[in-house]
Amino acid sequence: DVKVTQSSRYLVKRTGEKVFLECVQDMDHENMFWYRQDPGLGLRLIYFSYDVKMKEKGDIPEGYSVSREKKERFSLILESASTNQTSMYLCASRLNEKLFFGSGTQLSVL
Amino acid sequence: QQQVKQSPQSLIVQKGGISIINCAYENTAFDYFPWYQQFPGKGPALLIAIRPDVSEKKEGRFTISFNKSAKQFSLHIMDSQPGDSATYFCAASDGGGKLTFGQGTILTVHP
Repeated sequence: DVKVTQSSRYLVKRTGEKVFLECVQDMDHENMFWYRQDPGLGLRLIYFSYDVKMKEKGDIPEGYSVSREKKERFSLILESASTNQTSMYLCASRLNEKLFFGSGTQLSVL
Repeated sequence: QQQVKQSPQSLIVQKGGISIINCAYENTAFDYFPWYQQFPGKGPALLIAIRPDVSEKKEGRFTISFNKSAKQFSLHIMDSQPGDSATYFCAASDGGGKLTFGQGTILTVHP
């Protein structure tokens, strides 16, 4: 089974802090994605990566950046966390057209 | 702008009933339409998917109906069970690798 692991299940940060969300997949997938999930808004794409050191902006990239130094690891970075970034963050890898999601990180920014 | 619109936001069904969730899309370049199921505390998982060259796809109790001219597709869950209680997301892709998701539907099946 494909496993996508997100480093933290819950995270509480202060406004202005730099936040790193880590994601690791074990199936050598080239494509990886970061989504945020908010009630009533569904899943919205923040950034994605087709390969190592490659990144593409999704629909809501403002306030975020990403890093993909190794194929298995895709990191989401909040440069200066704000309260409106309080959300559930979901990482996924893709094989063909199927997405495999991690269990998510619930981030609260106070 | 929300390119995939999903309704209803929540749905309550009795055990054994039929659950129906609807989605509408705008982008005619979309050519792949999956449904994802998410249980509490878990990430979404692929449930069933369809391409626009067919009007219906069935897998067990789950059926996707697709209407290309109306740009609409729906998920039907027959003989709904309490274990089907979850959040369901429709999605669409234009082949470029990005999935655009709907807003989600929280389904509750009462025993």
